[in-house]
Amino acid sequence: TQLLEQSPQFLSIQEGENLTVYCNSSSVFSSLQWYRQEPGEGPVLLVTVVTGGEVKKLKRLTFQFGDARKDSSLHITAAQTGDTGLYLCAGAGYNAGNMLTFGGGTRLMVKP
Amino acid sequence: ETGVTQTPRHLVMGMTNKKSLKCEQHLGHNAMYWYKQSAKKPLELMFVYNFKEQTENNSVPSRFSPECPNSSHLFLHLHTLQPEDSALYLCASSPGDWEYGYTFGSGTRLTVV
Repeated sequence: TQLLEQSPQFLSIQEGENLTVYCNSSSVFSSLQWYRQEPGEGPVLLVTVVTGGEVKKLKRLTFQFGDARKDSSLHITAAQTGDTGLYLCAGAGYNAGNMLTFGGGTRLMVKP
Repeated sequence: ETGVTQTPRHLVMGMTNKKSLKCEQHLGHNAMYWYKQSAKKPLELMFVYNFKEQTENNSVPSRFSPECPNSSHLFLHLHTLQPEDSALYLCASSPGDWEYGYTFGSGTRLTVV
């Protein structure tokens, strides 16, 4: 069974601060995705990273896939209250078809 | 609105009741999923349907019964549930290629009393 561990589990910061959350596994994934889930809603796909070492930017969010394809990070610059939510990483294993393995999530609270 | 619609949004049911959750997508996706999301636990995959055929049943108790009459609709029939089944039940769909990710509905918040 492939497992994804996310850290930290909870993070509370002030608006304007920077933060990084992590997604780690002992397994190799063919790709990794990040989702954000706001209260009362389902998760929404933010990005897919496919190549080891790949870096993708989405406005103030920077996503990186580890060289060995076992880990990923999400860095948010100058956090805003609208960034509040649950951040989930999900990995696609080789030969897993369309199945994704989800991590436990990082719950982020950005205070004004 | 994400393109995946779940009804009802909230449901309170007794342990002896029978109810059904509904999920609908018109995105042309081939795969549909049921997930359970409990507090302090990762998303738990329950069932997967590809082209209306069930391809995954993740050791889910028989008190949960899925139904996929066509590629656009997915149901989760509930009967004789337990209080520990209270959770957010999320439906998702995908085009069958993981690269495009899953599109989730807003979920049904289920409370079993």
